[in-house]
Amino acid sequence: EDKVVQSPLSLVVHEGDTVTLNCSYEVTNFRSLLWYKQEKKAPTFLFMLTSSGIEKKSGRLSSILDKKELFSILNITATQTGDSAVYLCAEFLSGDKIIFGKGTRLHILP
Amino acid sequence: SQTIHQWPATLVQPVGSPLSLECTVEGTSNPNLYWYRQAAGRGLQLLFYSVGIGQISSEVPQNLSASRPQDRQFILSSKKLLLSDSGFYLCAWSDRDWHEKLFFGSGTQLSVL
Repeated sequence: EDKVVQSPLSLVVHEGDTVTLNCSYEVTNFRSLLWYKQEKKAPTFLFMLTSSGIEKKSGRLSSILDKKELFSILNITATQTGDSAVYLCAEFLSGDKIIFGKGTRLHILP
Repeated sequence: SQTIHQWPATLVQPVGSPLSLECTVEGTSNPNLYWYRQAAGRGLQLLFYSVGIGQISSEVPQNLSASRPQDRQFILSSKKLLLSDSGFYLCAWSDRDWHEKLFFGSGTQLSVL
């Protein structure tokens, strides 16, 4: 059974739209929630979230964690074609174990 | 600056043959090291991780094994490959001061035929 569940698995929107990607996780041994972006081969780090309700922001990307409901969202505003990628959510667990979800494949149409 | 080297980039192997994928990190010491596998259209499946020399945690061993013979070297091996071992293998490291931020290698696309 998957411990990190992302939705939707794929999403196609038009340039300029705002998208919200979802991630739910399990609480056992949880330390932090991570977001990564995979454009071609190597994923790159976006955010680390440890506290509920505190938004992390980087340009048009933002993310927030809800530790009561065990989920996180990643928002992208004013999307651009360069935002097309697979967005991966992951749990950082005790013992430095990092578990990823299946990812959301985002495609931005020009 | 820190860099990670993973090779080969592409590998085609027959069923039953051995496997050795190597990953080395430069510019840091005592990193955490990880091996992931990514099947087409799937997320990253954690295979092995190591928080120090000789310390290997296994998630889905089956016919794969991992070793860390040196501080910054992580090797993924198999004695006999299966068709189901095909996939994209990614090595990653994280710094001791920021464990959550993984830096990934460029990956190895393995096809077992």
